[in-house]
Parts: sequence; C-alpha cells; structure tokens
Amino acid sequence: ETGVTQSPTHLIKTRGQQVTLRCSSQSGHNTVSWYQQALGQGPQFIFQYYREEENGRGNFPPRFSGLQFPNYSSELNVNALELDDSALYLCASSVTGRGEQYFGPGTRLTVT
Amino acid sequence: QQPVQSPQAVILREGEDAVINCSSSKALYSVHWYRQKHGEAPIFLMILLKGGEQKGHDKISASFNEKKQQSSLYLTASQLSYSGTYFCGTGTNFGNEKLTFGTGTRLTIIP
Repeated sequence: ETGVTQSPTHLIKTRGQQVTLRCSSQSGHNTVSWYQQALGQGPQFIFQYYREEENGRGNFPPRFSGLQFPNYSSELNVNALELDDSALYLCASSVTGRGEQYFGPGTRLTVT
Repeated sequence: QQPVQSPQAVILREGEDAVINCSSSKALYSVHWYRQKHGEAPIFLMILLKGGEQKGHDKISASFNEKKQQSSLYLTASQLSYSGTYFCGTGTNFGNEKLTFGTGTRLTIIP
C-alpha cells in the first residue's frame, strides 16, 4: 500500500509569483485535505476536496485554490505569493466516513 | 478557536510517564492525536470519538471527556522514540473532518 506522497519537497519562490503543489493520496482514500504549518505551529486547515469539489475551507484568501482529480490526487495553487506564505504545506488523505487522516511528508515553500 | 495544549514542553528520562492535555472551547465530535518529529510529517496515533471513550495501543493511550471538551494522551514507560511534538486535532463533525490543531507539546526523552 502506497502512502501519501507530495511534490516537490522544497521550493523557493519570489514574492508575487504563483506556485503549484501536488499530492497523491494513499491508495483507497477519496478525500484530500490541505494544511499550512508555520514554523513552531500546528497545522492550519486550508481546504478539503471530496469528489473533485471543495468540501470546506479554512480562513485562507481566494488566492489559495485547489483541484482534485478523478484518481483522487490533488493540487494546491497559491497566486500572488506573499512572504507570510513561507511554510510547510501538508496534505492528508482519508476515506469518507472514517476519521483518520494520514499526512504526506510536506512541501517546504520559501518565499523571498 | 485553537485547542489549548499543556504542557508546552516536557523533558523526561527514559522509562518515565507523561500526560499531555488538550482542551477546546468548542463542542467536539472527535479528537485526533499526532506525533511529529522535526522535518517530518505528522504521524497518526489515534482518534477518539464523542461518547467519552478511551483508547490505547502499546504504551500510548488517550481519553476523551466530551462534557469537558478535553482529551488527554498518556505515555507510559517512555522510550527514546517517543520524542517529538505532539499535536491534538479537533473535529466538530464526523466523516470528512476539517481538523483544528493545537499549538503542540514538545516531548524530549533523554537516556
């Protein structure tokens, strides 16, 4: 059974640029949630995707957007990057109706 | 509102016990516990659902007091591998939960 994978591992971008992060969910999981984790903080919920539609969003602006594909993989897109967007971005996959969420290794984004 | 975890940090000798608490101001359906080592993904430990249940495996167990909106994680006879930051994540509905995480408790086990 393949776990949750994310790419790229690290990324450095300039303020104002756009970035796309990718996540492949664990085999058999149909729901993907994205979290932002600033240094020394707990993960903060960005949004969740189920059946290729957004299924809930946290307190993040519209420049954070996402997609889920028929194979349940997902993308997180961030436009007009700001310095405060520098963080570890985690995706977690789960099965609808079961609570456990399993995290991928994350993408470390640095905005300069 | 972010759940509050206590203590913020604790240092133990190998073999000692630890208790980590998680308290929320919101009514909870579930509490999820994770351990995260530096530079790694959070690892799922267990989930507790409302109903006041307790769970455990190996030497790690947890309880959930729905009325008090609190959960506690118990680590007994701690091992070096238990070192890391522990997070509780709270959910308010079951199914496709959007977790709200606490600020974490850093646990250091020394030989």
